[in-house]
Formats: sequence, C-alpha cells, structure tokens
Amino acid sequence: AQSVSQHNHHVILSEAASLELGCNYSYGGTVNLFWYVQYPGQHLQLLLKYFSGDPLVKGIKGFEAEFIKSKFSFNLRKPSVQWSDTAEYFCAVNARDQGGKLIFGQGTELSVKP
Amino acid sequence: GAGVSQSPSNKVTEKGKDVELRCDPISGHTALYWYRQRLGQGLEFLIYFQGNSAPDKSGLPSDRFSAERTGESVSTLTIQRTQQEDSAVYLCASSFKTGVTDTQYFGPGTRLTVL
Repeated sequence: AQSVSQHNHHVILSEAASLELGCNYSYGGTVNLFWYVQYPGQHLQLLLKYFSGDPLVKGIKGFEAEFIKSKFSFNLRKPSVQWSDTAEYFCAVNARDQGGKLIFGQGTELSVKP
Repeated sequence: GAGVSQSPSNKVTEKGKDVELRCDPISGHTALYWYRQRLGQGLEFLIYFQGNSAPDKSGLPSDRFSAERTGESVSTLTIQRTQQEDSAVYLCASSFKTGVTDTQYFGPGTRLTVL
C-alpha cells in the first residue's frame, strides 16, 4: 500500500530563514507528487506539482520542490520565509495506475515569527 | 467562477443518528473525491466518482458510509448510525477529469462532531 511520510510535524522559523520540509513516499510505480497548503481559515490549495520532466518544480509564492526518485522523496523548499507563509503544508502522492486518488502525509505546521 | 462548495459547514449530531453531507463541485468537473481529516492527521481518501459511477470506494471505512452522485453534479456522503470516531472534517474535491495531470480543487469542508 502507498504511504506518505512527512518528517516534521511542527516547524518554527523566524522571517528570512530558509525552509525545507521533508516528504517521503512508498510506492514502486510511477507517481505524481503534490504539495498542498492550508492557510489559517482557508481551503486547501495547490502549491506545486510534479508529473514528469524536470525534477525541480517551482510553485507559487517562491516555493520549489525537488523529486529525487532514488530516495522516494519530494522535499519542499523556500529560500526565505515570510510571516504570511504560516500555514499547514501537506505532501500528497497519486499512483498513476490507481486513478486520481491522493494519498496525503500527516501535514507539517509551519509557524513563522515576524 | 465558483469553487467547490460544501454544506453544512458544521454538523453536530448524537451518536447513532444518520447524517448527510453535501458537495457541489466546480461546474464542468467530471471527477469528484471525498476525503476525511481527523484531528492531527492527514487527509484519508474515501471514494471518488467519475461522472456518477464510483470506480474506487476502497477508502470507505465501513458499510455505514455511502455516497452517491447525481450526474456530474452534486454528491452526497451519508453516514449511518454515527459513532464518535466519525468525528472529523470531511473534504470534497473536484477535477476536470481523472486524468493523471488533473489538479484537484478542494472545498472548505464539513466539520462533523458526534457527541
């Protein structure tokens, strides 16, 4: 069965610090990979996605993620966080041979101190 | 255009009662998904629809859970004889189709509390 693991449950950073959130998945087949974000009081929204091609993908608000197939990882990065990045971040995987369902990690709560 | 909408936004019920949760997908989206998020956990897949058929019901936790969809429109998730462990936020998402490149757009969720 597929699973997704996010290593950090709660991360606290000061503004301008660099961010890296870990995400590992277990599945031997071809996958699509996603990061979703939920800002306080808002809907879950897509931050970035990887389907194929360049393993380094760029998303909204300066976020990027790198797919490393050999490590089954899809870590999220941002060089300099802002207070407005305070949110919960979810990594998700879709196995291409299993329809469109997403398997989510447990989420990482990011708190950015002004 | 309008996003995915869900109703009610909050539902408090007593153990043993039945509840119905509604999802209105984005117009034109043929695929619709239901997920559940328990407190402190990630989202769990429940079921998805392509049109009004459900190719994958593998995430439904028990036979107390059922869902239906009318055409390529509204979907209803029904939980019969609710239990306290059913308390969670139930999220609906829709996408243009179930192709591998389709982004799922999420609704605001229904927070269900079973007393």
